[in-house]
Amino acid sequence: GEDVEQSLFLSVREGDSSVINCTYTDSSSTYLYWYKQEPGAGLQLLTYIFSNMDMKQDQRLTVLLNKKDKHLSLRIADTQTGDSAIYFCAESISGDKIIFGKGTRLHILP
Amino acid sequence: NAGVTQTPKFQVLKTGQSMTLQCAQDMNHNSMYWYRQDPGMGLRLIYYSASEGTTDKGEVPNGYNVSRLNKREFSLRLESAAPSQTSVYFCASSEFGLAQAEQYFGPGTRLTVT
Repeated sequence: GEDVEQSLFLSVREGDSSVINCTYTDSSSTYLYWYKQEPGAGLQLLTYIFSNMDMKQDQRLTVLLNKKDKHLSLRIADTQTGDSAIYFCAESISGDKIIFGKGTRLHILP
Repeated sequence: NAGVTQTPKFQVLKTGQSMTLQCAQDMNHNSMYWYRQDPGMGLRLIYYSASEGTTDKGEVPNGYNVSRLNKREFSLRLESAAPSQTSVYFCASSEFGLAQAEQYFGPGTRLTVT
């Protein structure tokens, strides 16, 4: 069935790079997304990538897509305390629904 | 421009009570959605409305009903609340349908059913 898997926790020192990984199952995905959720708030789209792309860079964010392995990653360069949040990977399925992962909680160490 | 607003922010219900969660967006978006988020889980789609006048079931529709009142507003009703419906409910909207890139989320409604 359709599923999106990601690790639940990640701890990173301030100033280091954070890499959050995600695997998905549906090879027909058209869009893959990264959303950020801060405490007590709704989700906010960080970035997305079309399935025919390998990489997308947007300021401190780099998304890598390996379609063969169905693996998506989000790299945050120079991680700051404001990056502390839950990050959700999601994929669109056949144009009519989006499947979200369970979220990775990013904790920033001083 | 408030984006997506939801009321109430918090609610406690007794089993069997009913209530309606309200959602409104001021971005002139065509599509609106209701999700629930449970601890340690991703978001699960309850219902969505691709355009004014249409609604469709999502992944977990049982126990809920929706109304797309107009282009701006999309409400979610619990007719007879159950403890299993304790959750955080998020409304979202997008200019286009589910396949398109960006959904804008409201701040959420935290519902507890005792």
